[in-house]
Amino acid sequence: KQEVTQIPAALSVPEGENLVLNCSFTDSAIYNLQWFRQDPGKGLTSLLLIQSSQREQTSGRLNASLDKSSGRSTLYIAASQPGDSATYLCAVRHDPRGDYKLSFGAGTTVTVRA
Amino acid sequence: DGGITQSPKYLFRKEGQNVTLSCEQNLNHDAMYWYRQDPGQGLRLIYYSQIVNDFQKGDIAEGYSVSREKKESFPLTVTSAQKNPTAFYLCASSKGANYGYTFGSGTRLTVV
Repeated sequence: KQEVTQIPAALSVPEGENLVLNCSFTDSAIYNLQWFRQDPGKGLTSLLLIQSSQREQTSGRLNASLDKSSGRSTLYIAASQPGDSATYLCAVRHDPRGDYKLSFGAGTTVTVRA
Repeated sequence: DGGITQSPKYLFRKEGQNVTLSCEQNLNHDAMYWYRQDPGQGLRLIYYSQIVNDFQKGDIAEGYSVSREKKESFPLTVTSAQKNPTAFYLCASSKGANYGYTFGSGTRLTVV
C-alpha cells in the first residue's frame, strides 16, 4: 500500500525566507504527483502537477521537483510572504494497477511571520 | 467559470439520522471522488466513480453510500451506520489519469 509522508508537519519562517517542503512516497510506480494548498476550513487548491516522466514544474515563485526512483518530491516557495501561510499537501496518483487513485500526505502547515 | 460546488457548507446530524451531501461539477469530468479529512490525518477515500452509473468503494466506505445517475452529480449519504461521522468532507473530480484533481470547498459535518 502506498504511504505518503510529509516532513516537517509544521514550519514557521520569517517573511522573505525560502520555503522547502518535503514529500516522500513508498511505491515509486506512480502516474503523477500533485501539490495542493489548503487554507483553514477550505477546500484544496491545486498548485502544481508533475507527471511521472517530468523532473520538475514551475509556476511563479513555486517550483516542485520529482525524483521517482527515490520516492521524493520537494516543493520550493521563493521569497515567502504572509499570504503563503497555509497547509500544503502532496498527493501521488497510482499507476493503472492502482486504478489511478490518489494517496495523500498529512500535510505541512506553514506560518510566514511578517 | 467551471468548478465543483458542494452544499451545504455546514451540516448537523442527529444520532440515527441519514444525511446527504451534495456535489455538483460543470467541468465535464468523468471521474468524481469523495474524501474525508480528519485533523492531523491525510485525506481518506470514501467512494469514487469513473463513469455514470458505476462507482467503487474506497478505503473507508463503511457507513456511506453514493449514486452517480448524472455525470455532473455525485451525492454522498452518511448513514446511521457510520459511527463517527464528524469530519470535513471533500468532493473532487478529474478529467483523466494525465490530469490533476479539482476539489470543491467542502462540507463540515457535525453530530449533535
